[in-house]
Amino acid sequence: NAGVTQTPKFRILKIGQSMTLQCTQDMNHNYMYWYRQDPGMGLKLIYYSVGAGITDKGEVPNGYNVSRSTTEDFPLRLELAAPSQTSVYFCASSYSSLASVPLPYEQYFGPGTRLTVT
Amino acid sequence: GQQLNQSPQSMFIQEGEDVSMNCTSSSIFNTWLWYKQDPGEGPVLLIALYKAGELTSNGRLTAQFGITRKDSFLNISASIPSDVGIYFCAGRYNAGNNRKLIWGLGTSLGVNP
Repeated sequence: NAGVTQTPKFRILKIGQSMTLQCTQDMNHNYMYWYRQDPGMGLKLIYYSVGAGITDKGEVPNGYNVSRSTTEDFPLRLELAAPSQTSVYFCASSYSSLASVPLPYEQYFGPGTRLTVT
Repeated sequence: GQQLNQSPQSMFIQEGEDVSMNCTSSSIFNTWLWYKQDPGEGPVLLIALYKAGELTSNGRLTAQFGITRKDSFLNISASIPSDVGIYFCAGRYNAGNNRKLIWGLGTSLGVNP
């Protein structure tokens, strides 16, 4: 299993441009998450999804959009890039079932996308 | 919103020393997770805790779920240079259909060979 993969690894955007950060997992996890991590800071949740077709806002959703058309993929879209969106973006996934062991909150992370908006 | 207090913020130790760090919350948690992040990488899960009082080891790492359910501790014994990185705690508070983790701000660990 490749786990959680993210593309691209690095990207520089000009203000106002748009782009999509890709995230794919091959662990058949139903939950997927997008976080951003600013220098010296912890992780802030942007959006999450509990299954295909279902998404919900996290702590810092403004300026981002997501979709979840398949179990495997959870792309994050930036429509009008702003300097405040310069950050490292991490995708994560986990499995949830009432009968599952281990419990569903063990999240597995991708390697991250470093985005700079200038 | 909810936040975890993680301490210390950073520490620098000699190789071979033991290390302790902790996380506290104002709410009762029913899950505590400890992650390590190497430079330029995503966080990697080290230890997961699900019961108050639970003590779990992973090699030289030991973590405990506090009996008050509001704190957790991570200890690293006999530190080595590859222990360098940022250690994050994360937890889930007990509230209905809550599906999200709350994250600490991390403890940055340096090890002097």
